[in-house]
Order: sequence, then structure tokens, then C-alpha cells
Amino acid sequence: AQKITQTQPGMFVQEKEAVTLDCTYDTSDPSYGLFWYKQPSSGEMIFLIYQGSYDQQNATEGRYSLNFQKARKSANLVISASQLGDSAMYFCAMREGLQSSGDKLTFGTGTRLAVRP
Amino acid sequence: NAGVTQTPKFRVLKTGQSMTLLCAQDMNHEYMYWYRQDPGMGLRLIHYSVGEGTTAKGEVPDGYNVSRLKKQNFLLGLESAAPSQTSVYFCASLKGNQQFFGPGTRLTVL
Repeated sequence: AQKITQTQPGMFVQEKEAVTLDCTYDTSDPSYGLFWYKQPSSGEMIFLIYQGSYDQQNATEGRYSLNFQKARKSANLVISASQLGDSAMYFCAMREGLQSSGDKLTFGTGTRLAVRP
Repeated sequence: NAGVTQTPKFRVLKTGQSMTLLCAQDMNHEYMYWYRQDPGMGLRLIHYSVGEGTTAKGEVPDGYNVSRLKKQNFLLGLESAAPSQTSVYFCASLKGNQQFFGPGTRLTVL
């Protein structure tokens, strides 16, 4: 089974609107972390937001928020007030277990977001 | 503070040739990683290191070797390149919960 599933290969959003990018995960480990990265056309990987499995509140970072639904094993990224510069590939990733296990990340296949003016 | 740097940025190899990709970080991070990214796929972990002198296999280690002789450097080697190793290679280092990525190396094997 895929550990990280991103079912939306591509999405469009109108500038200034909000958009939700879906991510579901599969793990039996009670300790894990979920990440979102942005990859613009220039190719670099940019960290956006992190959610720990024991965190009580959903993570937020500026216009980014993570809708963490533990029982459903989903960690959707919400981008509010979309900007043209948000057009990029977005990857969801998971770290399983404790840091002593190497903090390895497993990535989803990504969602390409295009923001329309 | 340059962060994570990768050398070279681009490289074209012929099948059977060897090469080494260099990753350097000046943030004194213990953990470092090598990933590859192929079209339509996310990043996949090749090898990683949790400290100087230690390395471990990731998800797709075959055909690659690594070394971590100095804390700041993590080298990825291809002993006999194959077309299947055409990819973009990313190095990363870890601080806290965040992995910091280098700019990537685009490798083409003909």
C-alpha cells in the first residue's frame, strides 16, 4: 500500500481564492510527522508546514494551514488567498517513528497547482 | 551561511561511466540524505546518514554508494552509470523537524 497518496495530479484555482490539496497517509506507527513541500518550476524544494501526530491543533504558517484528521489519516494542505506565485508542484511527505530511526521522509507523487489570474 | 549546496548542477554521462555527486552543508547538521526525483513521482530516498562515518540504505539504494567522511559533506557515487539513473538528485540535511534541501543535480545517462 502507498504510504502517502495524493490523488489530485493537477488543480486550478482562481487568484485570491482558497484551495485544498489532498493527502492521505498509511502508517501503523503512533509517532509520525507530516510535511508539505512546494516545488516551483525552478526546481528547489521549499518547506511549507509540519504537523506532528501528537499535536492537538492543526498547524498554520501564514497562508498555509494543515487540515489534520487523524482518524481519517488525512493531512490536507489549505492555501488561502491564492497568489500567482503559488503555482507549483506540492508534495506531501511523512516521517514515521522517532528521530532515532533516521527521520526518513516518504513522499507522495505530488499535485501540480496552477493559479489563474 | 550557504545552506545546502550540491555539485555539479548538471552532468551528462555515458553508460558505464562513474561519477560522484557532492553535497555540502554549513549548518552543522548531523543527519543528511540523498533522494532522487523522477517524472511523475515524488522524491525517493537513496541513502542517508545520521552522523559522520555512518551511512544507511534508503528505499532505492541499488547502483549507488555513499560516504560521510566529514560531517559537512555527503557524497553520492555511481560506479557504473545506467540510463535508469537519469534523474534529478537532491541532497538534504535535517534540523529539528525540517529537512533543508539543496538545489538539485540533473543527471542524464546516455
